[in-house]
Amino acid sequence: GAGVSQSPRYKVAKRGQDVALRCDPISGHVSLFWYQQALGQGPEFLTYFQNEAQLDKSGLPSDRFFAERPEGSVSTLKIQRTQQEDSAVYLCASSAGPTNEKLFFGSGTQLSVL
Amino acid sequence: AQTVTQSQPEMSVQEAETVTLSCTYDTSESDYYLFWYKQPPSRQMILVIRQEAYKQQNATENRFSVNFQKAAKSFSLKISDSQLGDAAMYFCAYRSAFWGAQKLVFGQGTRLTINP
Repeated sequence: GAGVSQSPRYKVAKRGQDVALRCDPISGHVSLFWYQQALGQGPEFLTYFQNEAQLDKSGLPSDRFFAERPEGSVSTLKIQRTQQEDSAVYLCASSAGPTNEKLFFGSGTQLSVL
Repeated sequence: AQTVTQSQPEMSVQEAETVTLSCTYDTSESDYYLFWYKQPPSRQMILVIRQEAYKQQNATENRFSVNFQKAAKSFSLKISDSQLGDAAMYFCAYRSAFWGAQKLVFGQGTRLTINP
């Protein structure tokens, strides 16, 4: 596609539910990132993929957070047993190459946990 | 760990005037990249300008320019001839130049309002 696509745009979950957030990067982009942006804050790094390999998951806040990119294109961020503090905008970004390339962001998924 | 600080939560400027957004950062590395991103209400982060730390010359992109002071670890953004479409959240960000260190570290953001 023309840009990074994320779905759904909005997600409301009851506390304790599992959610899955999808990211479609720009076709052919090697690198894919997930960021979490709390209300009124800057984005914080969650995890990074190069093709299907998850090279850095140091930002995942707990073992309830899991990300995958099995075929090196579409990525899914899964949050198990959601809690209120998980409420945030989840941004996905991709770049063409593995090093120092321009990053293209999606419009994010706004997750609200009630 | 690297940190990025934006000390101005909000700024406002009259249309057609100039405004400067401040950013400071902390790092022990000598080679890195600095960025300014714009985030409109659509939430999509848009790259405004990028600066390589090894370059002494300040980056410019049309009405946008930076004042990069490496010794002071300061990286401010100047917007000239402000336009209504410039209204947005602006984030300063840092990335290490080490291969494999891909993540961006963002500041807290500055909300810019343009007054007509």
